[in-house]
Amino acid sequence: LLQESGPGLVKPSQTLSLTCTVSGDSIKSGSYYWTWIRVPAGKRPEWCGRIYRSGVTDYNPSLKSRITLSLDSSKNQFSLTLTSVTAEDTALYYCARMAAYTFDLWGPGTVVTVSS
Amino acid sequence: DIQMTQSPSSLAASVGDRVTITCQANHDISNYVNWYQQQPGKAPRVLIFDASNLETGVPSRFSGSGSGTHFSFTINSLQPEDFATYYCQQYDSLPYTFGQGTKLEIK
Repeated sequence: LLQESGPGLVKPSQTLSLTCTVSGDSIKSGSYYWTWIRVPAGKRPEWCGRIYRSGVTDYNPSLKSRITLSLDSSKNQFSLTLTSVTAEDTALYYCARMAAYTFDLWGPGTVVTVSS
Repeated sequence: DIQMTQSPSSLAASVGDRVTITCQANHDISNYVNWYQQQPGKAPRVLIFDASNLETGVPSRFSGSGSGTHFSFTINSLQPEDFATYYCQQYDSLPYTFGQGTKLEIK
């Protein structure tokens, strides 16, 4: 199971931080990429980035200068940090597991609104 | 980025109907396409991987085909629980990208 957590409201220009808690599986085992995907209202899903158990990351170039993914194996969590947010970062954010190029396990999602 | 153009954006059909959704990529992506279903208030669920392979546990009325730049997804004999939004997604290259979605509604 995956579960997202974090503030639902972030002010413009501030930093968005979300955490995904993984249960029933270790983020250090298996050949999985741990990913973040967001869906702005009325738009298509956008892949934000992924992190492997080794800590190697890949990011969407559209976010590359603002996004950081990290792992906390002691808590079996991975996190998303997005700096300098604007209204365009308002979205439903999902954490998901990628296995063999398929997003096979998803969290329920968390809504993040960027507004003053 | 690889652009995935999905059509139609919405579709009205009846229980028992057969429906097809298409997705076109702007580059050859072999068979590196997945199809997802998203029901209201729920996270997406993968139905088809590698363009034509049925995910474990998914009913056989769902199918996918295609390669290169043209892909299709078909539901035979629509059931009430199939009314949802469907997305294609490519994994040929980063960043992974999705189609704009098809909302399947009851006629």
